[in-house]
Amino acid sequence: ELKVEQNPLFLSMQEGKNYTIYCNYSTTSDRLYWYRQDPGKSLESLFVLLSNGAVKQEGRLMASLDTKARLSTLHITAAVHDLSATYFCAVSLGANSKLTFGKGITLSVRP
Amino acid sequence: DADVTQTPRNRITKTGKRIMLECSQTKGHDRMYWYRQDPGLGLRLIYYSFDVKDINKGEISDGYSVSRQAQAKFSLSLESAIPNQTALYFCATSLGQGASNEQFFGPGTRLTVL
Repeated sequence: ELKVEQNPLFLSMQEGKNYTIYCNYSTTSDRLYWYRQDPGKSLESLFVLLSNGAVKQEGRLMASLDTKARLSTLHITAAVHDLSATYFCAVSLGANSKLTFGKGITLSVRP
Repeated sequence: DADVTQTPRNRITKTGKRIMLECSQTKGHDRMYWYRQDPGLGLRLIYYSFDVKDINKGEISDGYSVSRQAQAKFSLSLESAIPNQTALYFCATSLGQGASNEQFFGPGTRLTVL
């Protein structure tokens, strides 16, 4: 059974500083997805990583995938308040496989 | 804009009532999904459908049923609602075979069972 773990579950970030959050998974896969959810809102797709070594960047966020380590990282550069949200990673075992989500990491950026 | 919509957005009902949540999409996607979200538990898959004639159970299908009326419509039913089905329900869609399997989510339905 595929398990997806995210840590930490909550992170208080100081504005302007850099942070990294992690997503580990238990079964070999080269398909990993990052989503953002604002409180009470839907999930918004951020990144789709489909190969070992894949790196995607959007604004202050950069996601990468290491399939050998079964690990994805989401790096935050110079945190700003607008990045406060819950971030989910999800893993798929193949093109015809469902997504398994982690429990999410809630980020809070303080001045 | 191509979109995923859910109705109703909020629903309060009583134990034992039958409830239907509806999902429609204009994205032209073949695949549709129903999830529930509970605080601290992330998203859990209830049912999914890869095309109109395909229905599959997810990890928590007990107490739920679905109907794929058309490519664009996927409904979730609670035959006899119980309080622990109180949750936020999301519908999602994705392209078919050969695509990235990236899923796009609707706005959600907040269901409260008293």
